Amino acid sequence: KQEVTQIPAALSVPEGENLVLNCSFTDSAIYNLQWFRQDPGKGLTSLLLIQSSQREQTSGRLNASLDKSSGRSTLYIAASQPGDSATYLCAAPGSYNTDKLIFGTGTRLQVFP
Amino acid sequence: DTGVSQNPRHKITKRGQNVTFRCDPISEHNRLYWYRQTLGQGPEFLTYFQNEAQLEKSRLLSDRFSAERPKGSFSTLEIQRTEQGDSAMYLCASSNRGSPLHFGNGTRLTVT
Repeated sequence: KQEVTQIPAALSVPEGENLVLNCSFTDSAIYNLQWFRQDPGKGLTSLLLIQSSQREQTSGRLNASLDKSSGRSTLYIAASQPGDSATYLCAAPGSYNTDKLIFGTGTRLQVFP
Repeated sequence: DTGVSQNPRHKITKRGQNVTFRCDPISEHNRLYWYRQTLGQGPEFLTYFQNEAQLEKSRLLSDRFSAERPKGSFSTLEIQRTEQGDSAMYLCASSNRGSPLHFGNGTRLTVT
């Protein structure tokens, strides 16, 4: 059974810092992994999707890596800004043959000026 | 692409009443998902469809919950005989296989 864990649960940093958010999953037979952002009271916004054949995916100041063998993914945020304040969630498929995503509980990020 | 639309945004109901939520996915997406989220938790999978076929339903979902996607377009999620524990944000998402999920802004249900 797939389980997804995110560390840390919360993070508060000054503007400009580079950040690393961690995600681990128990079933490495996944075909992709997704990172999302959620603002309070809103739905989730897709940030990055990494296919199992990829090791990294980049979008602007965001970079996500995937290491299936160790069951880990990392989201790197460069030069953080107050507008990055949100909850970041990672999600992995429940198994290789399902589209059901299993979510972690998220990392709540606050970037202060 | 107008995004995923969910209605209503908020629903307050009394315990024991039935409620129905609607989700309109992105038109070219064949997969549609329902999730439930409570405060401080990640979304919890409820069910998903490929076109009009319901492919998987969470074992945690009681018989009071039912979802449909007639003609493979919009979907409805009905909760019968609501309980206070049903209070949550109900999220809908759509995608094609292997592509990112696009979420709506959710329906917040409060059961009093």
